[in-house]
Amino acid sequence: DAKTTQPNSMESNEEEPVHLPCNHSTISGTDYIHWYRQLPSQGPEYVIHGLTSNVNNRMASLAIAEDRKSSTLILHRATLRDAAVYYCILRKISNFGNEKLTFGTGTRLTIIP
Amino acid sequence: NAGVTQTPKFQVLKTGQSMTLQCAQDMNHEYMSWYRQDPGMGLRLIHYSVGAGITDQGEVPNGYNVSRSTTEDFPLRLLSAAPSQTSVYFCASSWTGVNPTEQYFGPGTRLTVT
Repeated sequence: DAKTTQPNSMESNEEEPVHLPCNHSTISGTDYIHWYRQLPSQGPEYVIHGLTSNVNNRMASLAIAEDRKSSTLILHRATLRDAAVYYCILRKISNFGNEKLTFGTGTRLTIIP
Repeated sequence: NAGVTQTPKFQVLKTGQSMTLQCAQDMNHEYMSWYRQDPGMGLRLIHYSVGAGITDQGEVPNGYNVSRSTTEDFPLRLLSAAPSQTSVYFCASSWTGVNPTEQYFGPGTRLTVT
């Protein structure tokens, strides 16, 4: 299975943009790039996903490199509530029943007031 | 919708005891799964189910049993608790299909085995 590499930790100032990188150099053409985050003492929550094109939603933006070997999750204006562990996960397009998520250790994002 | 609910929130067991962690979802999702998260680590898949009556093993299934008699419920049974099973347990659910969809996670059960 293709793996992802993320920095262990990052810091950002409140109300500034945050760019969280993820490398996935062995990604295949059938892998979606998903991002989840886990707030302290909570279960993970979905943030965003994409295949080839950049994606935007109410929580964040996902920028995908043209060769798809890396991606960046962008939080446009970080708040204290965005302090969490962010996981970059590859998920295959597959037939019915292959929904498994493989979590790494993620990036711990600290927001400085 | 309540989403994914888990009970209990906290549990302390003695070595050798058995118990069942409950998970329920009200979104009519076919797919449900159980993960465990040890301190400082990511989540690891224990068991999963793609529908009522269908279950399969994940990455770390030893010491755990599951069954899926209804779409809504997916209980996780610890047969004989061991200190190595001290962890936080998360249940998740989602639709199934060709294009991967968002998974919804419960709030977790923190289990300590002494």
